[in-house]
Amino acid sequence: SQQGEEDPQALSIQEGENATMNCSYKTSINNLQWYRQNSGRGLVHLILIRSNEREKHSGRLRVTLDTSKKSSSLLITASRAADTASYFCATDAQGGSEKLVFGKGTKLTVNP
Amino acid sequence: NAGVTQTPKFQVLKTGQSMTLQCAQDMNHNSMYWYRQDPGMGLRLIYYSASEGTTDKGEVPNGYNVSRLNKREFSLRLESAAPSQTSVYFCASSGGRFGFGSPLHFGNGTRLTVT
Repeated sequence: SQQGEEDPQALSIQEGENATMNCSYKTSINNLQWYRQNSGRGLVHLILIRSNEREKHSGRLRVTLDTSKKSSSLLITASRAADTASYFCATDAQGGSEKLVFGKGTKLTVNP
Repeated sequence: NAGVTQTPKFQVLKTGQSMTLQCAQDMNHNSMYWYRQDPGMGLRLIYYSASEGTTDKGEVPNGYNVSRLNKREFSLRLESAAPSQTSVYFCASSGGRFGFGSPLHFGNGTRLTVT
């Protein structure tokens, strides 16, 4: 069963705009990761945020984590056509089997 | 640096046929994983291996077997393929165990169709 659920399922924006994707999960976690998947390729790790962190930055990416709401958001600023991809959050549950569980993803389209 | 290499890239099987998907990593990672990706379902874990010589079931292990041949290689076998196993299969590896913040490195997938 999926632990993380991304929202929205699909997002279409213009180049230069910001893109925000959200992830909600059900149980307490050790950390949360975001991945990108270009069409026809494997997933690529973007950023990891630990349960005791609230915000993390990497280049044009900003990730927030709210453990009280069991949710995370991924913000991509000044988007480019090359950011067109699917984005997945992945979580591992505390005290459980420690398996990394992926959500269903948000499909982002950035129009030139 | 090759990372995670999967073979074959594409495969078509008839119902009841068997095949083995191969995966190798050159990053000296301890842990390796097999996921399947279906439209609208995201990625689901089939099996994983936390270290050489150990394997454990994931969320959807039925119909599959795995072998951790050595530290580099982790194969997935379908003994009697079924149409429900039509999917894209991804192998991944990580330097540490789940839960300890180790990012996964993915191969580019094997696209399997069972007719």
